[in-house]
Amino acid sequence: DTEVTQTPKHLVMGMTNKKSLKCEQHMGHRAMYWYKQKAKKPPELMFVYSYEKLSINESVPSRFSPECPNSSLLNLHLHALQPEDSALYLCASSQEVTSTRNEQFFGPGTRLTVL
Amino acid sequence: AQTVTQSQPEMSVQEAETVTLSCTYDTSESDYYLFWYKQPPSRQMILVIRQEAYKQQNATENRFSVNFQKAAKSFSLKISDSQLGDAAMYFCAYRSAGSGYALNFGKGTSLLVTP
Repeated sequence: DTEVTQTPKHLVMGMTNKKSLKCEQHMGHRAMYWYKQKAKKPPELMFVYSYEKLSINESVPSRFSPECPNSSLLNLHLHALQPEDSALYLCASSQEVTSTRNEQFFGPGTRLTVL
Repeated sequence: AQTVTQSQPEMSVQEAETVTLSCTYDTSESDYYLFWYKQPPSRQMILVIRQEAYKQQNATENRFSVNFQKAAKSFSLKISDSQLGDAAMYFCAYRSAGSGYALNFGKGTSLLVTP
């Protein structure tokens, strides 16, 4: 299985809602990533988990809260978002953060709209 | 921080023809990795090709090949025998061999393939 899956595919939420994005991989990868991507722009790194521990937080607002329950799962909890947070949220995984074979495999993304 | 520049926001190619997408980068490091990712409209981002900086030989994957010029800090992607399915946004990305985790993306080149 060489796939990264993400649910839901689309999400519409109000600014007072609490929702979660889910990412799953079964490739035995020990590094997982959250990216935010605006239309026609490159992905921007948000968080990096290495061996289920948060290793990088790229100064992301606290209304985004990542969680890594186990080596295959990565969640992104959303609370009190702003309309400007509307974007495609991509999850990715790689063997290890510092491995020489560090190709990142991307999921299809969750398209989030904040009203 | 390393910067990646893709100077062609849009490119167009006819089916069966060859097209070259350009990418330059700025770094003071000697060891690093370079990638080309493809993101079709509303579809998953996939890795097209990768190049290790220590390798002089240019990477090739079927119809996709790179021209890696380390001294010039240039990493162009050549697509031969273009197909309609090649239409996508193409991102060039840099990753340091040392720090490992971060992919620095260029702004992308939108490739249109015409029949």
